[in-house]
Amino acid sequence: DIQMTQSPSSLSASVGDRVTIACRASQDIDNYLMWYQQKPGKLPELLIYAASTLQSGVSSRFRGSGSGTDFTLTISGLQPEDVATYYCQYYNSALGAFGGGTKVEI
Amino acid sequence: QALLLQSGAEVKKPGSSVKVSCKASGGTFSSFAFSWVRQAPGQGLEWVGGIVPLFGTPNYARKFQGRVTIAADESTSTVYMELSRLRSDDTAVYYCARGYSDYYYYMVVWGTGTAVDVSS
Repeated sequence: DIQMTQSPSSLSASVGDRVTIACRASQDIDNYLMWYQQKPGKLPELLIYAASTLQSGVSSRFRGSGSGTDFTLTISGLQPEDVATYYCQYYNSALGAFGGGTKVEI
Repeated sequence: QALLLQSGAEVKKPGSSVKVSCKASGGTFSSFAFSWVRQAPGQGLEWVGGIVPLFGTPNYARKFQGRVTIAADESTSTVYMELSRLRSDDTAVYYCARGYSDYYYYMVVWGTGTAVDVSS
């Protein structure tokens, strides 16, 4: 199976900071990558699909980039409501592998 | 309205099996890729496996192959996951989830969750 590795596993930043989360695939996955946000006690929500396309209704503070094996989620201007754990996920028609998650705190 | 209604919480002994159901409403059942995802207490998300009812053949994460069985019943729009030879580290909330009608295993709609507690 393809392995997804996220870094860092946690981070602390200040309101207004720019935050970057990395996700690396163990082999080329083209742009078959999703980013999810899971707030404490809540279900995950889709933020970005196909590596860089913002899901409808998601703040433009969030930006996804990358292709192949290396991907990045950037939060521009961190807000208190962005406190959450963020997951990347590789997907295709045969499997869906998550990264370990990155916990973002303020 | 898209809903995934799961069966209730389970308490199981190590070595036993658990079967969880997920009844879907809204949309064309057979064309969705349904995933089973688990989350152990304080831990991350883990993809267990999934099925596209239209194709019928389930897909499993390598870690669970041989222990998990996923099936779909189109007559009742219900997806099932059975996990056998349960261990304490299988204690988790198990979610079914689906994407849009494009046969890929990602998650837009999440089920209500089923807590499975494996304890002697």
